[in-house]
Amino acid sequence: DGGITQSPKYLFRKEGQNVTLSCEQNLNHDAMYWYRQDPGQGLRLIYYSQIVNDFQKGDIAEGYSVSREKKESFPLTVTSAQKNPTAFYLCASSIGTSGSGEQYFGPGTRLTVT
Amino acid sequence: AQRVTQPEKLLSVFKGAPVELKCNYSYSGSPELFWYVQYSRQRLQLLLRHISRESIKGFTADLNKGETSFHLKKPFAQEEDSAMYYCALSGGRFGAGTRLTVKP
Repeated sequence: DGGITQSPKYLFRKEGQNVTLSCEQNLNHDAMYWYRQDPGQGLRLIYYSQIVNDFQKGDIAEGYSVSREKKESFPLTVTSAQKNPTAFYLCASSIGTSGSGEQYFGPGTRLTVT
Repeated sequence: AQRVTQPEKLLSVFKGAPVELKCNYSYSGSPELFWYVQYSRQRLQLLLRHISRESIKGFTADLNKGETSFHLKKPFAQEEDSAMYYCALSGGRFGAGTRLTVKP
C-alpha cells in the first residue's frame, strides 16, 4: 500500500510534555511538509524540507522542531514552548526539490494537550 | 508576500445550481495554483491545477493574472460536491478554505 502515512491518528499529552508526530512516505518524493489545520484558518505551514538533512521554517514554526534524516521520514516534534498545541496536524509530500507541484497528504494526527 | 485569499468561509447552493468558489492570490512571478478538496472523513486531495487546464468532476478554474484570481466553477452542483475546498499556491501557501454545502 503506497502513500503517505501518519501515526498515531489521535494523540493525547499533558501540558509541558514534548510529543513527536510521525510522517512516512514511500512515494520517493523529495519534498515533505507539515501543516497545522485549525477551523476557519485553513492550512498553515509549519516546516518543510526539500532534501534530506535540510529543512526550512514555515509561517508558524515557533514551538515546533523537525528532522529529515531519511528521505522517507519527516517527524514533527511539538515542544512545550508551543503555546496552543491542540490541533489537527497534516503531513504532505511532493515530487522534486523545487517545492512546486501537487502535494499528497497523509490522514492527519489530532493532538490534544490538556 | 505570497498570499491566498478565499473570501467565503461557507457557501450553500441547491442541487443543480451553478457554484463559484472564489480565490485571489498575491505572488511575484508566475504562480502555480491548485484547488484541493477534502470530503468528509477523507484525506485532502488535489482537485485540479491550473497548468493542466482539465475539468475534474465538472469543475473548472481559470487563472486570471490581471485580476490575480483562480476561481473554481461548476455549472450544475451535485450533493456529492459538498466538501471543504482549498485554493493553494505551490510551496505550501493555502487559503483558509470554503465549505461548500449542496442542498437537495
